[in-house]
Amino acid sequence: DAKTTQPNSMESNEEEPVHLPCNHSTISGTDYIHWYRQLPSQGPEYVIHGLTSNVNNRMASLAIAEDRKSSTLILHRATLRDAAVYYCILGGGSQGNLIFGKGTKLSVKP
Amino acid sequence: DAEITQSPRHKITETGRQVTLACHQTWNHNNMFWYRQDLGHGLRLIHYSYGVQDTNKGEVSDGYSVSRSNTEDLPLTLESAASSQTSVYFCASGDRVRRNEQFFGPGTRLTVL
Repeated sequence: DAKTTQPNSMESNEEEPVHLPCNHSTISGTDYIHWYRQLPSQGPEYVIHGLTSNVNNRMASLAIAEDRKSSTLILHRATLRDAAVYYCILGGGSQGNLIFGKGTKLSVKP
Repeated sequence: DAEITQSPRHKITETGRQVTLACHQTWNHNNMFWYRQDLGHGLRLIHYSYGVQDTNKGEVSDGYSVSRSNTEDLPLTLESAASSQTSVYFCASGDRVRRNEQFFGPGTRLTVL
């Protein structure tokens, strides 16, 4: 399975944009890029996914590099409730198996 | 509203005992998954199912089993609990069409003494 590399932790100020990077240099042509987040003491929560084009939804935006070897999750205005561990995951395969890494712990300061 | 539930939420058991963790979803999803999460680590896939009567081994399946007799439930059984299986267990489900989005349950914290 293709691996991802994320910073262990990041900090942000409330109401400022946050850019969470992910490197995936061994991504295959069929791998989707997924982002999930896990709030303290909760199960993971789907954020967004994409294949080649940039994607936007109500939670975030996903910017995918042209060569697909990296991507960035963008939270447009961080809130205290966005403090969580964010996982960048490749795959989806034919049925949806996800291989989680250690993720990036995002702290949001008021 | 559709949901995914896990029970019990907390369980303490002794080494060698058989333990079953329940997972129930009302999304009518074909795909269901069991993960474990240990302190300081991401989630690791234990078993998964793509439909009734279908089960598959994941990354860390030794010591665990699952069965899928209906769409809604995927119970996880620890045949003979070991201290190394102390962990938080998450169940998830997903649609066969929108397979990139999995819905996770609240988790079961299992302690094996």
